[in-house]
Amino acid sequence: KQEVTQIPAALSVPEGENLVLNCSFTDSAIYNLQWFRQDPGKGLTSLLLIQSSQREQTSGRLNASLDKSSGRSTLYIAASQPGDSATYLCAVSNSGYALNFGKGTSLLVTP
Amino acid sequence: DGGITQSPKYLFRKEGQNVTLSCEQNLNHDAMYWYRQDPGQGLRLIYYSQIVNDFQKGDIAEGYSVSREKKESFPLTVTSAQKNPTAFYLCASSSVRDSPLHFGNGTRLTVT
Repeated sequence: KQEVTQIPAALSVPEGENLVLNCSFTDSAIYNLQWFRQDPGKGLTSLLLIQSSQREQTSGRLNASLDKSSGRSTLYIAASQPGDSATYLCAVSNSGYALNFGKGTSLLVTP
Repeated sequence: DGGITQSPKYLFRKEGQNVTLSCEQNLNHDAMYWYRQDPGQGLRLIYYSQIVNDFQKGDIAEGYSVSREKKESFPLTVTSAQKNPTAFYLCASSSVRDSPLHFGNGTRLTVT
């Protein structure tokens, strides 16, 4: 069974810092890996999807990388802002449909 | 605006009662999913459906049932057989295989 781990569980940084969130998975036979953001009490918002043949994806200040062979992904957030404060979830799909989620990294960006 | 609507936002039930959570999407997506989120546990897959009139069990399907009679609707029934039903329930959809999941805003179910 696919297991997804996210480190750290929580992170607090001052505004303006660049930061990296880590995700690892046990089964490298994936279709894709997705990063989501979740605000308290809300649903998830899709940030980036990396297909198994890709190495990275970028959207604005976000950059996600994928190393399938080592079972790792990182989400890089440049020039963090207080509005980036949320929980970030990594998820992988072995079928192209349903996702297996990590427990998330709770990020707090302080002014 | 296209999206996924989950209703109600909060739901309270007595132990032993069945309850149905609504999920409707107007994104014209073929696939729909139900996840459960508990504090410290992450999201766990309950059921998913790739097309109308077809669905598959996820990792924690016991005590739950679903139907997929229409493309836009995927209701989840939490039965009295579910031992720990209190949780935050999230519905999602995706257009095709290997595409991003879109989530609703969730239903928080409390059973006492």
